[in-house]
Amino acid sequence: DAKTTQPPSMDCAEGRAANLPCNHSTISGNEYVYWYRQIHSQGPQYIIHGLKNNETNEMASLIITEDRKSSTLILPHATLRDTAVYYCPLQDMRFGAGTRLTVKP
Amino acid sequence: DAGVTQSPTHLIKTRGQQVTLRCSPKSGHDTVSWYQQALGQGPQFIFQYYEEEERQRGNFPDRFSGHQFPNYSSELNVNALLLGDSALYLCASSFWTVNTGELFFGEGSRLTVL
Repeated sequence: DAKTTQPPSMDCAEGRAANLPCNHSTISGNEYVYWYRQIHSQGPQYIIHGLKNNETNEMASLIITEDRKSSTLILPHATLRDTAVYYCPLQDMRFGAGTRLTVKP
Repeated sequence: DAGVTQSPTHLIKTRGQQVTLRCSPKSGHDTVSWYQQALGQGPQFIFQYYEEEERQRGNFPDRFSGHQFPNYSSELNVNALLLGDSALYLCASSFWTVNTGELFFGEGSRLTVL
């Protein structure tokens, strides 16, 4: 079973930042957090991962709390093409139900 | 550089039949993981293969079996199909030695059991 929990759905206005939370209160000390997204039943696509420090790449930013019990994926300027289901598995790659993000015009 | 390829993309079977799904990993990858994704749910881990051996297994019955070939490609076999086996079956590849590396997923094989 997945060791992470996420809200089932979120909405975001186009052009605004989308902040997607993930709880992982039982995470181990050396366990990474990963983020993937899945668009309309395509295969999930890797976004970013991190251990302790905040991470940023061309797609998104990942903020991990100091106690590592939760994290937030930030899409800085959401577009309609960011509408997808977002998952945050840990290093064991067990996926939960994810958050369905809908970006609205 | 070819990504993960899966075949067939769609197939229809009847209850009690057997099915074989195939996966070719991304070039250079040596590890293949299989997932089942029912409609509206997240991918559920079935098992992982490396060096032609099953390394990890999720909570799936023995009707689900797999194989990995020397060229790293893999097959997923499901026997005695049930209606509840209808799902998108996803294959993902990675490097075994890079345990912090990401998974690369194929587009999946959609199985319908009637």
